[in-house]
Formats: sequence, C-alpha cells, structure tokens
Amino acid sequence: GEDVEQSLFLSVREGDSSVINCTYTDSSSTYLYWYKQEPGAGLQLLTYIFSNMDMKQDQRLTVLLNKKDKHLSLRIADTQTGDSAIYFCAVNSGYSTLTFGKGTMLLVSP
Amino acid sequence: SQTIHQWPATLVQPVGSPLSLECTVEGTSNPNLYWYRQAAGRGLQLLFYSVGIGQISSEVPQNLSASRPQDRQFILSSKKLLLSDSGFYLCAWTQGTEAFFGQGTRLTVV
Repeated sequence: GEDVEQSLFLSVREGDSSVINCTYTDSSSTYLYWYKQEPGAGLQLLTYIFSNMDMKQDQRLTVLLNKKDKHLSLRIADTQTGDSAIYFCAVNSGYSTLTFGKGTMLLVSP
Repeated sequence: SQTIHQWPATLVQPVGSPLSLECTVEGTSNPNLYWYRQAAGRGLQLLFYSVGIGQISSEVPQNLSASRPQDRQFILSSKKLLLSDSGFYLCAWTQGTEAFFGQGTRLTVV
C-alpha cells in the first residue's frame, strides 16, 4: 500500500521561512494535501495540489511537487508563532482514501 | 457550505462498555466518509471508509465496527471497549478534491 514519510520535527525562528518535506510511494496518487493540527483539535485543510501541477501558491503557503521523485513540500513564508502546530502530508490512494504521514511538528520561536 | 459534525468531543468509558460515535455531514450529498484514529505519537490510522449507504470497508481488523445508515451519517461502534481503544477519533469526508475533518472525539477507556 501507500507509504507516506515526513520528518518528525522542525524548529525555526519567527520571520524565517519553514519548509516541511514529504515523500510518498504510490505514483498513481492524484491529489496531495497538507493539513494543520493545533493541540487538541481536528485537522484543518491548508491546501492541496493536483498531481499534474508542479507548484501552487496560496498567500504565505507554497506547495512544490516533484512527481518524478515523489516528493512534496510545504513552504511557509514569514513564519509566525501561530504557525506552531503539527503538519500532515496526505495523499489519496485506492478509492479516494487518504494515507497520512506521521506529521511534522513545527515549533516557531520568537 | 459544507460542514461536518462529530460528537461527543470527549468521552470517558470503562473497559467492556459499548461505544457509539456519530458523525454527520451537511451541505453535500454522496460524500466518501472516513473514520481515523490518532493514537499517542500522533500518527493517523485509517479505520473505516464508506463510499455509500451500507458500504463499509475496514482497513485494520480490530475491536471496532462502522455503519452508514444514511447518506450523510457515519457511526463508529464497539460492543466492548478495550484499553487500547483509547485515542483521538476523527471523522472526515471527501468529495472530489475536497477533504475535511471533524473536530475529533477524545476517547479515554479506563
């Protein structure tokens, strides 16, 4: 089945850019997602990208997709303390099921 | 607009007691519905998904079952809870490119 891998932890200073990386195994994945989870809360969909796109930009968020390497990244520009959370990469697999990575904890220090 | 309701938000149940978690979706029809569990360590595990009324696919054999009695209702159940059933349960739905989560239920089995 699909396997999604993420680094577990990232620490940045406020105002810097954050880059969270994700790799996946199923080349037939068509939609790839980034979710944000704040403590004790459900997952919030941040953005998604179609597999026929290389890049998608949405305000401070930039998603890059390298389909050849099966690598997805999320860049957060001008990272703020409110961006501290766990970020999940997810890809669709099978019949619209989503497979998640284990999440990357982003810690933003002042 | 589409919304997803999940309840209760928190639940403490004794070992051996039954469980029923409910999830309903509004503002859409014929969504794909999912139950995920997030155990300690924050990984997300897909438990069940449903592509239509009465259609349930189980991803992991366990002490839980799911039912979809109506198009926009998805229920997670157990006849007898185990300590290992403790965790954070998330309901989600997808339709095309959209994927959204409920706020989650924190289940503690004591």
